[in-house]
Amino acid sequence: DGGITQSPKYLFRKEGQNVTLSCEQNLNHDAMYWYRQDPGQGLRLIYYSQIVNDFQKGDIAEGYSVSREKKESFPLTVTSAQKNPTAFYLCASSIGWEPLHFGNGTRLTVT
Amino acid sequence: AQTVTQSQPEMSVQEAETVTLSCTYDTSESDYYLFWYKQPPSRQMILVIRQEAYKQQNATENRFSVNFQKAAKSFSLKISDSQLGDAAMYFCAYRSSFNYGGSQGNLIFGKGTKLSVKP
Repeated sequence: DGGITQSPKYLFRKEGQNVTLSCEQNLNHDAMYWYRQDPGQGLRLIYYSQIVNDFQKGDIAEGYSVSREKKESFPLTVTSAQKNPTAFYLCASSIGWEPLHFGNGTRLTVT
Repeated sequence: AQTVTQSQPEMSVQEAETVTLSCTYDTSESDYYLFWYKQPPSRQMILVIRQEAYKQQNATENRFSVNFQKAAKSFSLKISDSQLGDAAMYFCAYRSSFNYGGSQGNLIFGKGTKLSVKP
C-alpha cells in the first residue's frame, strides 16, 4: 500500500541536541511538507519542497533544517537553535492540486 | 496573507443528531480550495471534504456536507447522523490556486474545533 511513513512515533532528546525526524513516501508525489502542531494551535508550515534538491522556508522555519536528496525522502532536523522544539510534527506529500496526504506524525519531547 | 478562523474551540453533539462546525477565512483571491480535515485521537490527518471556490455547488461526502458562502467567506461543515467515530479535532484549511514561489499546495489551517459525540 502506498503511503507516508514517519519514524519514530515518539522521540525524546536532551536540550541542546540536534534531532532528525524521518519522512518517507512511496506515493510518487513531487511535493513534500513539514508541519508543526501545538496544543490549541492549527498546523503551521515549517518547510516545503516541490522538487528534489529544492526546498523553501515556511512560516516557522527558524531552528529547523531539511534536505531533499531523493523524491521519496524529506527529513527534518530540529536544531538546538529551536527554542521550543517539543511538539507534534506532521509530514505530508501531494501531487499537482490533489489534497495533501499526511503521515502519522512524530511526537518530539525535549527536556 | 490568508487567514482561517474557527471560532468554536469545542462542540458537542448527541449521537444521531446533526452538528455544524464553523469556519471563516480571509483572502483577496478569487480562486482557491477549501478543505475540512479530521484528526481523531490517533492524530492521523484524514481528509473529510474539499471545495473548489469556482464551484457554486456545495460539496457532499456521505454524511458530511458543506455550506460554502463565497461572498461571506464562510465554509461550514455539517455532520448528519453523528456517530461515535466522528469524535475528533476538525480543521478547516485554505489553499491558494496560485503558485507563489513554488508554494503550490501549501495549506493554511485554522486552530481546530474539538467535537465530542455523546452516546
